[in-house]
Amino acid sequence: EGQLVESGGGLVKPGGSLRLSCAASGFTFNNAWMHWVRQAPGKGLEWIGHIKSKANGGTTEYAAPVKGRFTISRDDSKSTLYLQINNLKTEDTAIYYCSTLGRTDIWGQGTTVTVSS
Amino acid sequence: DIQMTQSPSFVSASVGDTVTITCRASQDINNYLAWFQQKPGKAPKLLLYGASGLQGGVPSRFRGGGLGTEFTLIIDSLQPEDFATYYCQQINSFLPNTFGGGTKVEIK
Repeated sequence: EGQLVESGGGLVKPGGSLRLSCAASGFTFNNAWMHWVRQAPGKGLEWIGHIKSKANGGTTEYAAPVKGRFTISRDDSKSTLYLQINNLKTEDTAIYYCSTLGRTDIWGQGTTVTVSS
Repeated sequence: DIQMTQSPSFVSASVGDTVTITCRASQDINNYLAWFQQKPGKAPKLLLYGASGLQGGVPSRFRGGGLGTEFTLIIDSLQPEDFATYYCQQINSFLPNTFGGGTKVEIK
């Protein structure tokens, strides 16, 4: 059974940077399109972006609010997905989930990012 | 970006009731719509895919429909474990996979 485990969250000052990781196991990671989704405290789900499989070009797409500050990447040799967040803002405070979305519907447990001075 | 508008944002219902949630897309998305259930402190869980396709293991009391810009999630005979928040999501991979704002189903 597929599993995703996020890490890298924490308390960061505004303007700082953070790299989140998502370790995959139990499924063929290199074939999967991978997504990041976040949820601010007490708020709904927000799709951040995705990265296609290398076989589909490995390209990325982002939601408009995060374009330019967020970068999704993958290392298929390590079955790991990454999310680089630069110039963090207080409104980036959220639980960050990685997921396969789609019919495979595998989600991590989430990692919490808190942006505060 | 495409906008997904859910209504209502909150519904109070009793066990055994039928609940209907609507999701409207700001542009035609054919049937590229998924529905998720999320319980407090947990990751979301896929219920329906392609607007009406039931995900494996999901009870048949969950029904979905719609095409284009208007979609519905119907929960027949609400059970205690169904009290949760429900989200629609646009899943056309050529567009941002935007979620709706969510509908919280609470016990009356």
